[in-house]
Amino acid sequence: SQQGEEDPQALSIQEGENATMNCSYKTSINNLQWYRQNSGRGLVHLILIRSNEREKHSGRLRVTLDTSKKSSSLLITASRAADTASYFCATDQGYQKVTFGTGTKLQVIP
Amino acid sequence: NAGVTQTPKFQVLKTGQSMTLQCAQDMNHEYMSWYRQDPGMGLRLIHYSVGAGITDQGEVPNGYNVSRSTTEDFPLRLLSAAPSQTSVYFCASSYTRREPQHFGDGTRLSIL
Repeated sequence: SQQGEEDPQALSIQEGENATMNCSYKTSINNLQWYRQNSGRGLVHLILIRSNEREKHSGRLRVTLDTSKKSSSLLITASRAADTASYFCATDQGYQKVTFGTGTKLQVIP
Repeated sequence: NAGVTQTPKFQVLKTGQSMTLQCAQDMNHEYMSWYRQDPGMGLRLIHYSVGAGITDQGEVPNGYNVSRSTTEDFPLRLLSAAPSQTSVYFCASSYTRREPQHFGDGTRLSIL
């Protein structure tokens, strides 16, 4: 079964707006990563947050992690048409396995 | 640097045929993995390897074989293709499991 579940499944916003997507997971983790996938391409790593961190920033990206609620959120500020993609969270649970969520499909309308 | 290279990009097979999906990386990464991506299911781990000569099963290993004779290569073998194996297959690599993974662009496989 999937470890991570992203919410919402799909999101459509206007260019310039902020986009927020959430990830919930089931078991304790070592770290959580967010990836982007453009249509027809492989996944590209965006940001990694460790279990002892609560917030992390990278450019227009802000990631939060709440281990007590087993959830994380990815905020993309001032979105651009080029941000149109699917976004996945991935959790490192130990046992040499990384598992991915089902993804949020983001559409940014110019 | 080529990164992670997957071949072929597209393949159509008949039920019962076998084939090997190739994956090569030039970053000297120890950890390599194979995922399949199906609509609404996200990515599911098939097999992974923590170094040459060491492989292990992921979430959906049935019908697939892997081997890791070198650090660079991690081929995925379909033993007897079934329509349920129609999917997009991604290979990924990283220095360790805990580091960000680098993905290939995938192999789109259809089983008729």
